[in-house]
Amino acid sequence: NAGVTQTPKFRVLKTGQSMTLLCAQDMNHEYMYWYRQDPGMGLRLIHYSVGEGTTAKGEVPDGYNVSRLKKQNFLLGLESAAPSQTSVYFCAGGGPYNEQFFGPGTRLTVL
Amino acid sequence: DQQVKQNSPSLSVQEGRISILNCDYTNSMFDYFLWYKKYPAEGPTFLISISSIKDKNEDGRFTVFLNKSAKHLSLHIVPSQPGDSAVYFCAAKDGGQFYFGTGTSLTVIP
Repeated sequence: NAGVTQTPKFRVLKTGQSMTLLCAQDMNHEYMYWYRQDPGMGLRLIHYSVGEGTTAKGEVPDGYNVSRLKKQNFLLGLESAAPSQTSVYFCAGGGPYNEQFFGPGTRLTVL
Repeated sequence: DQQVKQNSPSLSVQEGRISILNCDYTNSMFDYFLWYKKYPAEGPTFLISISSIKDKNEDGRFTVFLNKSAKHLSLHIVPSQPGDSAVYFCAAKDGGQFYFGTGTSLTVIP
């Protein structure tokens, strides 16, 4: 089992460009999450999903969109990237006892 | 406003001694609390959790204590080992959302 994987691992964008981050899991998690981690801020929830076809806003959703068309995939989109979105992005799948299993992260730089 | 706070950015402990990491929260609706460990360039790894109806949970060297009246959570690691050196995050759950603290960097000195 690969667990939770994220694609790509690194990316550099110019302001205004768009991109999609892919999260895939083979652990049959119903819940999936997207977080960003910034220095001194810990992890902040962007969006989450409680099942296939559902999404909900987290703590910092502005500038991002998500989709959960298949249970195993959770996509995070940036329609028009801004330097403030430079961060490390983590995806996670939810376990049965509320624990989360995280992917390795995607380091995004917006110039 | 930060709902989960870890006021100690760093902590150093001798190998074999106890490490105590602290976490404070403000939201009385939190019903579940968790601790994660994170190494550089990796995603956080789940360590231990506790429901709001309990005040203690133990798993091997790791024990989490919850004081609801003080809105305080702590993680005890006994005995501390060099491999425990990492950043530790506490997290709390309210409905479908999780809120994380800013992390405490633990260094265990051999």
